[in-house]
Amino acid sequence: SQTIHQWPATLVQPVGSPLSLECTVEGTSNPNLYWYRQAAGRGLQLLFYSVGIGQISSEVPQNLSASRPQDRQFILSSKKLLLSDSGFYLCAWSVGQSSYNSPLHFGNGTRLTVT
Amino acid sequence: GNSVTQMEGPVTLSEEAFLTINCTYTATGYPSLFWYVQYPGEGLQLLLKATKADDKGSNKGFEATYRKETTSFHLEKGSVQVSDSAVYFCALRANTNAGKSTFGDGTTLTVKP
Repeated sequence: SQTIHQWPATLVQPVGSPLSLECTVEGTSNPNLYWYRQAAGRGLQLLFYSVGIGQISSEVPQNLSASRPQDRQFILSSKKLLLSDSGFYLCAWSVGQSSYNSPLHFGNGTRLTVT
Repeated sequence: GNSVTQMEGPVTLSEEAFLTINCTYTATGYPSLFWYVQYPGEGLQLLLKATKADDKGSNKGFEATYRKETTSFHLEKGSVQVSDSAVYFCALRANTNAGKSTFGDGTTLTVKP
C-alpha cells in the first residue's frame, strides 16, 4: 500500500533562518506531488506542484521554493523565513497527471511557527 | 476558472442530529468531486468521491450525490456522532487546469453529546 511521510511534525524557527521540510512517498511510482499551506482557520493554498523529477510549478510568488530530487521525494525550502510563513504545511500525492478521478493523499502536516 | 463554494461554518449539532453541508461548484469540463475530512492536528483524508453525474459517494454513514444540473455535491449524514467533529472540505478535480484540485474553504463541524 502507499504511504506518505512528512517531517518534522512541528517546527519553531526564528525570522531569517532557513527552512527545509521533507516529504516522501512509498508504494507508488511517478506520483504528482503537492505542497499546500493552511493558515489558522483557513482553507488550503496550493504552493507548488510537480509532475516529475525536477519539474516544479509555483502557484504563489513568495520566498519559498520546492525541489524534487527523486521521484518520490519533495522538499520545501526557504533561505530566510518571514513571520508570514507561519502555518500548517501539507504534502500530498496523487496518481498521474491524467488521472483526475483519483483523490489526493495527504501527509500529517508540519506545524511551522516563525518567531 | 474552477471554483468550489462551501456552506460557511462553524456548524454545531447535537449527537444523532442530521447533517447537511452544502457544496456547489463551477468547472469547465467534467470534474470529479470529493469530500475530505480533517481531524484536529492532522492532514486531510478522503471521505468519499463521485466521478460522474448522478453518482453517489458514501463512506462511514456519509453520503453525497453528484448533481450536474444544480452543480452541487452536498454532504449528508443521518445521525452524527461526537467523533465526527472535524473540518470538512469539498473539492473538485477536472481534466483542465493541469488536473489540479480546487478546494472549498472548509466547514468546521462540532458535535456535542
